[in-house]
Amino acid sequence: DTAVSQTPKYLVTQMGNDKSIKCEQNLGHDTMYWYKQDSKKFLKIMFSYNNKELIINETVPNRFSPKSPDKAHLNLHINSLELGDSAVYFCASSQLGQAGGYTFGSGTRLTVV
Amino acid sequence: KQEVTQIPAALSVPEGENLVLNCSFTDSAIYNLQWFRQDPGKGLTSLLLIQSSQREQTSGRLNASLDKSSGRSTLYIAASQPGDSATYLCAVRGAGANSKLTFGKGITLSVRP
Repeated sequence: DTAVSQTPKYLVTQMGNDKSIKCEQNLGHDTMYWYKQDSKKFLKIMFSYNNKELIINETVPNRFSPKSPDKAHLNLHINSLELGDSAVYFCASSQLGQAGGYTFGSGTRLTVV
Repeated sequence: KQEVTQIPAALSVPEGENLVLNCSFTDSAIYNLQWFRQDPGKGLTSLLLIQSSQREQTSGRLNASLDKSSGRSTLYIAASQPGDSATYLCAVRGAGANSKLTFGKGITLSVRP
């Protein structure tokens, strides 16, 4: 019973391609997030959705487009991939407005060649 | 803007030592603070969650303290073991309607047999 699951785990693709990463949580949380971990291992938030509504959009190129079909799913679509997009992308969930912790998925390692 | 600092970036200790990992944050308006562990190439495992009203939390050989007013937290690891070798990440959840989890850059711990 994986709480937050991401697919795929690894993704290798060429520059210029479009790719998607999927995330699902079964914790009943109302808020989901995408975080990016760069080559220096620093984790930074990209987006946050609460009940399918975008509530946090950090300074991220508009080639990145999150989509939340329902509160249990948050997908990340990336257009025109660039070398600098190579990183590990983590999905997470929590309950907004409450003092609960975050639960993270196992990450998707994206390599752009 | 919340900033989380973890110093030093790396630490190497002999097995059996008790050690303290430090974390500081700039904005004391937080819901909670969470310590995570990340093994190389793996996801984030939540170790301890301390609510803003709490002073400490304990789990096994781990004890985390929080001094919200001074913007500091410590993770105490008793009787360290080689299996404790990993990167330890401190993250604070800001208070407010659209709060987010802000991470430090982590401390990479190596416990020598």
